[in-house]
Amino acid sequence: ETGVTQTPRHLVMGMTNKKSLKCEQHLGHNAMYWYKQSAKKPLELMFVYSLEERVENNSVPSRFSPECPNSSHLFLHLHTLQPEDSALYLCASSHSATGEGYEQYFGPGTRLTVT
Amino acid sequence: AQKITQTQPGMFVQEKEAVTLDCTYDTSDPSYGLFWYKQPSSGEMIFLIYQGSYDQQNATEGRYSLNFQKARKSANLVISASQLGDSAMYFCAMREGTEDSSYKLIFGSGTRLLVRP
Repeated sequence: ETGVTQTPRHLVMGMTNKKSLKCEQHLGHNAMYWYKQSAKKPLELMFVYSLEERVENNSVPSRFSPECPNSSHLFLHLHTLQPEDSALYLCASSHSATGEGYEQYFGPGTRLTVT
Repeated sequence: AQKITQTQPGMFVQEKEAVTLDCTYDTSDPSYGLFWYKQPSSGEMIFLIYQGSYDQQNATEGRYSLNFQKARKSANLVISASQLGDSAMYFCAMREGTEDSSYKLIFGSGTRLLVRP
């Protein structure tokens, strides 16, 4: 496997369900990110982890709970979501969380639909 | 005020022709980086090109070049010899250089490019 992978690619869940999104990076990077991409809105940064420590929680509702057990894996735990949470959730990684020039590499995303 | 502005929601280009996608940015930080990403219908954001605020020359990567005009705060993407596979959404993004938040990528609203055969 190369690059950044995400599973599942598609997820349909009810508002009372609990599910998790998984992201894995094979690039040896130290920073990982969760983004939300809704229709007709710019990409929104949700969480940032640097060396497994959360460095950013961008006013995200508590029904989204991230977990970074090591620098290669990132999870987004979901519970009691709302229909407006339906979106494409993108994971990204970069060499470092700070400094110039370190582009972020994205996974293919998980298309989430909340019914 | 928006930090990244992409004024073209959609663009058409004929195959094999060049196309310019506009991006203007707003920052008071002297140190910043500008990025362009491509997002095909499959959803993945693909990194295309990077320009640092202190770079003297415009960045180029294959058929992609970045027309960086610092005084105008613009960072337009030029795609030469368009191919059908270039049809996608294109996002301009900026990272400002402040130490404690320089990981934040601020994205524009995107431009949808359609390449006509």
